[in-house]
Amino acid sequence: GAVVSQHPSWVICKSGTSVKIECRSLDFQATTMFWYRQFPKQSLMLMATSNEGSKATYEQGVEKDKFLINHASLTLSTLTVTSAHPEDSSFYICSAELAGAPGEQFFGPGTRLTVL
Amino acid sequence: GQQVMQIPQYQHVQEGEDFTTYCNSSTTLSNIQWYKQRPGGHPVFLIQLVKSGEVKKQKRLTFQFGEAKKNSSLHITATQTTDVGTYFCAGRRGSTLGRLYFGRGTQLTVWP
Repeated sequence: GAVVSQHPSWVICKSGTSVKIECRSLDFQATTMFWYRQFPKQSLMLMATSNEGSKATYEQGVEKDKFLINHASLTLSTLTVTSAHPEDSSFYICSAELAGAPGEQFFGPGTRLTVL
Repeated sequence: GQQVMQIPQYQHVQEGEDFTTYCNSSTTLSNIQWYKQRPGGHPVFLIQLVKSGEVKKQKRLTFQFGEAKKNSSLHITATQTTDVGTYFCAGRRGSTLGRLYFGRGTQLTVWP
């Protein structure tokens, strides 16, 4: 089946620094990738939809300048949390759609971000 | 506001008992998907329903899509400890691709 990887799986950083999270589709090309945020025991909150070669579409309430998304190729999308603060600590998950599969989204393993 | 409502939020059952989680949307959905997330893991796709009134089975799991395509349910018969996790429904409006509107999930605990 289609595999999506994320790197790093966990990261601890100091307040004010920036953190980059990578999402890769390993065995398929993904024209669309999605970035979610999940708080403990809560649902997935869609942050943005990332389309290869174009600007990401952000959900209402998500700061574009704080959460920078780059989808430079059909297999890689990156999320950069800029000037991170403790309230940015969360579980960030990406997913990708496989064009041939009827709408199924394949999720990466997630990245646990802790901002001190 | 929340697009897809899911209940219950938590369910604790004895192994062998049945379990059902329900999803309801205020708008008609083009399709609905179900995902399972194990503790500490990421969501894993279970199934997609597209047709009005559709019923699909996967071993002990039965998925239904309502006639009006606004609600759906997941029923597990004779739960096992391996069924532990959070079950999410996620619906789409309009296109069969694009963003999913996730329910808040039902966290299932199974006691041996």
